[in-house]
Amino acid sequence: SAVISQKPSRDICQRGTSLTIQCQVDSQVTMMFWYRQQPGQSLTLIATANQGSEATYESGFVIDKFPISRPNLTFSTLTVSNMSPEDSSIYLCSVEDGRFYGYTFGSGTRLTVV
Amino acid sequence: RKEVEQDPGPFNVPEGATVAFNCTYSNSASQSFFWYRQDCRKEPKLLMSVYSSGNEDGRFTAQLNRASQYISLLIRDSKLSDSATYLCVVMNTNAGKSTFGDGTTLTVKP
Repeated sequence: SAVISQKPSRDICQRGTSLTIQCQVDSQVTMMFWYRQQPGQSLTLIATANQGSEATYESGFVIDKFPISRPNLTFSTLTVSNMSPEDSSIYLCSVEDGRFYGYTFGSGTRLTVV
Repeated sequence: RKEVEQDPGPFNVPEGATVAFNCTYSNSASQSFFWYRQDCRKEPKLLMSVYSSGNEDGRFTAQLNRASQYISLLIRDSKLSDSATYLCVVMNTNAGKSTFGDGTTLTVKP
């Protein structure tokens, strides 16, 4: 399966600032996914990032708040903009490993906004 | 109603017990099904895919019932190391979307 390097692993940020999270995959993948997992909850898809096109955002998530870059088939970034304490969460990137292999996840970024 | 529903538990069982989790899904167009395991403060990791014919991997057995739209995970001879949250994932490959259940928490005690 794919190997994903995600960083930073954790950060504590001041409200009003922005944080960019990076994910690097060891193989070329068509789609990369960004999830949020709030404490005690399951994963919520933020957006799907395709190389060469705008990311597709899920209901409740907007590009101004969570801009995404996908400059090539092995790399993507998610920025959490103008942060507030409600953005404190774990953010995970993921790639699809095929229909029968599900998804592989990065190790996650644990964000705390103070 | 949520698209994917799981009993949140927690399930607290003694070592050696057999425990079963169920997951129901509402979208009949769903095509692929998985169980993931998530340890505390870690990312989810694939435990096993779920096939229509059912499949087994050691102490773990997964089954799919398309007619009733549910999948199950059976863990036999529970180990302390099985303590984790188990996430049910339902994929609609045509739509390119997957939906995660909220997870079932298992604690295996000595």
